[in-house]
Amino acid sequence: NAGVTQTPKFQVLKTGQSMTLQCAQDMNHEYMSWYRQDPGMGLRLIHYSVGAGITDQGEVPNGYNVSRSTTEDFPLRLLSAAPSQTSVYFCASSSTENTEAFFGQGTRLTVV
Amino acid sequence: RKEVEQDPGPFNVPEGATVAFNCTYSNSASQSFFWYRQDCRKEPKLLMSVYSSGNEDGRFTAQLNRASQYISLLIRDSKLSDSATYLCVVNPRDSSYKLIFGSGTRLLVRP
Repeated sequence: NAGVTQTPKFQVLKTGQSMTLQCAQDMNHEYMSWYRQDPGMGLRLIHYSVGAGITDQGEVPNGYNVSRSTTEDFPLRLLSAAPSQTSVYFCASSSTENTEAFFGQGTRLTVV
Repeated sequence: RKEVEQDPGPFNVPEGATVAFNCTYSNSASQSFFWYRQDCRKEPKLLMSVYSSGNEDGRFTAQLNRASQYISLLIRDSKLSDSATYLCVVNPRDSSYKLIFGSGTRLLVRP
């Protein structure tokens, strides 16, 4: 049972580099979202999607882009990495807005 | 003011103890409430949803108080395996899908 799969699990970037965090779910969920988790601040919503072709900004969208070309995939792109983007990133999906959100295992990103 | 606030803890309790956490939310129109559990360096996982009438799942009881805008989680007969961070989660239902997470309450259950 794959559920939500995130890759990579760990990544080190240099300031200014770009990269894409991958997220895929096999549960046919409409809702997908990206969070970052920093010590003492909980999970903060970066971007979310309520279906293929539809995305919207969350609480901390600056420096990140997303797209949702299929129901299954919701990649997160860092345009020009900054040390402030060092964090743990989680992708999540759910069938509706009121049901359980399933999370990927997370990506630990360090920007030096 | 944060949308969802929790006492960060840690709550350090002996096995068998009863422990309770509260969480306050600022948006009075919020409709959906959840407790998630997060183990160290792992992803959050749903512990239980919180219904208006309250709900119980084994040793865990969740309550919602709309008038005072808080939800609670009660854990009875604590086990070592209950040691984790408990995240309060609110869906404000402000015309969009967003889950707002509290920063979590850390629980340590000691032998």
